[in-house]
Amino acid sequence: KQEVTQIPAALSVPEGENLVLNCSFTDSAIYNLQWFRQDPGKGLTSLLLIQSSQREQTSGRLNASLDKSSGRSTLYIAASQPGDSATYLCAVYPGGFKTIFGAGTRLFVKA
Amino acid sequence: DAGVIQSPRHEVTEMGQEVTLRCKPISGHNSLFWYRQTMMRGLELLIYFNNNVPIDDSGMPEDRFSAKMPNASFSTLKIQPSEPRDSAVYFCASASGGTTGELFFGEGSRLTVL
Repeated sequence: KQEVTQIPAALSVPEGENLVLNCSFTDSAIYNLQWFRQDPGKGLTSLLLIQSSQREQTSGRLNASLDKSSGRSTLYIAASQPGDSATYLCAVYPGGFKTIFGAGTRLFVKA
Repeated sequence: DAGVIQSPRHEVTEMGQEVTLRCKPISGHNSLFWYRQTMMRGLELLIYFNNNVPIDDSGMPEDRFSAKMPNASFSTLKIQPSEPRDSAVYFCASASGGTTGELFFGEGSRLTVL
């Protein structure tokens, strides 16, 4: 059974710091991995989608990597800003239709 | 595109009342999902439609929950009768299908059952 774990559950950093959020999954047979951002009271916003054949994806200050063999993905945020404060969720798509979500990492960037 | 549109954004009702949540997926997406999010259980998949057909409803908690997708641009999730433990945020998401599986979520409907 596929399980997705995100560590840490919460993180507080000063503005300007580079940071890494971690995601691990138990079954390497996935089609893709997706990182989402969720602001309080809002829906999930897709940040990056990494296909199983890819190693990483970049969007602005965000870089996500995928290592299927070790069952790990990282989301790197460069030069963090207070506006980056949100919950970040990792989700894997093992095929079929059921995307498996992690519990998320709550990030707080202090000004 | 306007994205996935859900209504109402907030619903407060009394126990026993019927609740209907609505969703308009992104045009051209052939997969639609209803999720429920709570602090205790995180995101739970309730039901999945593909080409307007319910494929898997094993996540629907009880017979009090039902979902329909009469056409490609509209879906409803109904709870009848509602109970306090149904209080949660209900999300609708759509995807273009295939093996890409990229999900796009609506803003959610926050349900409070008193």
